[in-house]
Amino acid sequence: NAGVTQTPKFQVLKTGQSMTLQCAQDMNHNSMYWYRQDPGMGLRLIYYSASEGTTDKGEVPNGYNVSRLNKREFSLRLESAAPSQTSVYFCASSELDGDGIQYFGAGTRLSVL
Amino acid sequence: GEDVEQSLFLSVREGDSSVINCTYTDSSSTYLYWYKQEPGAGLQLLTYIFSNMDMKQDQRLTVLLNKKDKHLSLRIADTQTGDSAIYFCAGLSRRVLTFGTGTRLTIIP
Repeated sequence: NAGVTQTPKFQVLKTGQSMTLQCAQDMNHNSMYWYRQDPGMGLRLIYYSASEGTTDKGEVPNGYNVSRLNKREFSLRLESAAPSQTSVYFCASSELDGDGIQYFGAGTRLSVL
Repeated sequence: GEDVEQSLFLSVREGDSSVINCTYTDSSSTYLYWYKQEPGAGLQLLTYIFSNMDMKQDQRLTVLLNKKDKHLSLRIADTQTGDSAIYFCAGLSRRVLTFGTGTRLTIIP
């Protein structure tokens, strides 16, 4: 009964390094999302994939890329990490239509030094 | 786009009711949600309401929606220490969720 699984849970990077955050869901959901959470700012949408084969920018896409690898997996890549990308990253999934409920992973805590 | 606002902090005595408020701007939001986040964890859905409803009750939780004023509230009856968390309201519009800043609920023994 895994739901949404994110890896890694923690990561420390140096400025300029790259990394990929992984997300997988086992609920057969069509839509997947990446958010970042910063203190006092709630969650902000980075990118989303409404269905397999499509991706769209959210509110704060700059500095990130995404890949919807298949229906289960949606990855987020930082090509050249910056200190401003220090944040907690959450992946979520939902059905394409209907009540829109999103189910969240436990998060990845990323520090960029 | 949607703008969702909440107050940042709320302190309540154990056993009292907690009321967390939220305002939103997009009248086309079809669903509105309340999520709970405990320390170091992801977001957990507490409850949600469809935009054509004005109230929903689920055990200790009551959601009130005033569409005219674009105001959403979450009432937690008989607040317990386990209710300490950050509570986020969110609105769904055009398949995208917009979250408020979150309200940190602190329980006073």
